[in-house]
Amino acid sequence: AQTVTQSQPEMSVQEAETVTLSCTYDTSESDYYLFWYKQPPSRQMILVIRQEAYKQQNATENRFSVNFQKAAKSFSLKISDSQLGDAAMYFCAHSYNTDKLIFGTGTRLQVFP
Amino acid sequence: KAGVTQTPRYLIKTRGQQVTLSCSPISGHRSVSWYQQTPGQGLQFLFEYFSETQRNKGNFPGRFSGRQFSNSRSEMNVSTLELGDSALYLCASSLGRGSSPLHFGNGTRLTVT
Repeated sequence: AQTVTQSQPEMSVQEAETVTLSCTYDTSESDYYLFWYKQPPSRQMILVIRQEAYKQQNATENRFSVNFQKAAKSFSLKISDSQLGDAAMYFCAHSYNTDKLIFGTGTRLQVFP
Repeated sequence: KAGVTQTPRYLIKTRGQQVTLSCSPISGHRSVSWYQQTPGQGLQFLFEYFSETQRNKGNFPGRFSGRQFSNSRSEMNVSTLELGDSALYLCASSLGRGSSPLHFGNGTRLTVT
C-alpha cells in the first residue's frame, strides 16, 4: 500500500532563516510523483513544488527546494529565507500517474519575526 | 484564468439528510477529484472523474457518490448524512495526464448536526 509519513507535527523558524520539513513514503511503483502542498488558514491547497521520480535532479522553485532520495524513499522540503507568509500547514503527497493523491498528516509551520 | 470554484462554501445539515456539493474546474481541465479533510483522518481521496467517467474511487461507503458533466463540472452527493461526515470537502482539477499538477478549490465546509 502507498503511504506517506510526516513525522514532524509542528515546526517553527525565524524569519529569514532556513527550515527543512521531512517526508518519507512507501510505494512499490518505480515511476511516480511527489508533491508538497501548502494550506494556509484560507483553506486552499497550494502546490509548492513537485518531483518526478524518474528525474534524479532535485526540484527547486525560488526559495523552495527538495532533497529527493529515491532509494531511501525520502522527500524533504527546504524553505530558505523564510517569510511570515510561509506560515501554514504543509502536506507531502504521492501519486502514481493519476489524480489520486496520498497525503501525509501534515506539518504546521510557524514563522516568527 | 479563473481557479477552481466550489459551492457552497459552508453548509449545515441534519443527520439523515442528503447534500450535494458542486465544483467547477479550471477551464480546459478534464479531470476533477474530490478529497475529504478531517482533523482525525486527515486528507482522504474520495473519487476522480475524467471525461465524465469515474477513473478512481477511494475507500468510502456507497453513501458517497459523484458525477461529472460534459462541461467537466462535477458534483458529489452524500446521502443519509452522519455526524462523522462533518468535514472540509476539497475539489481539485487537472489536465488529467497523471503528471499534471492538481489545482484545488477553497473547499466546502460541511457540518452535520
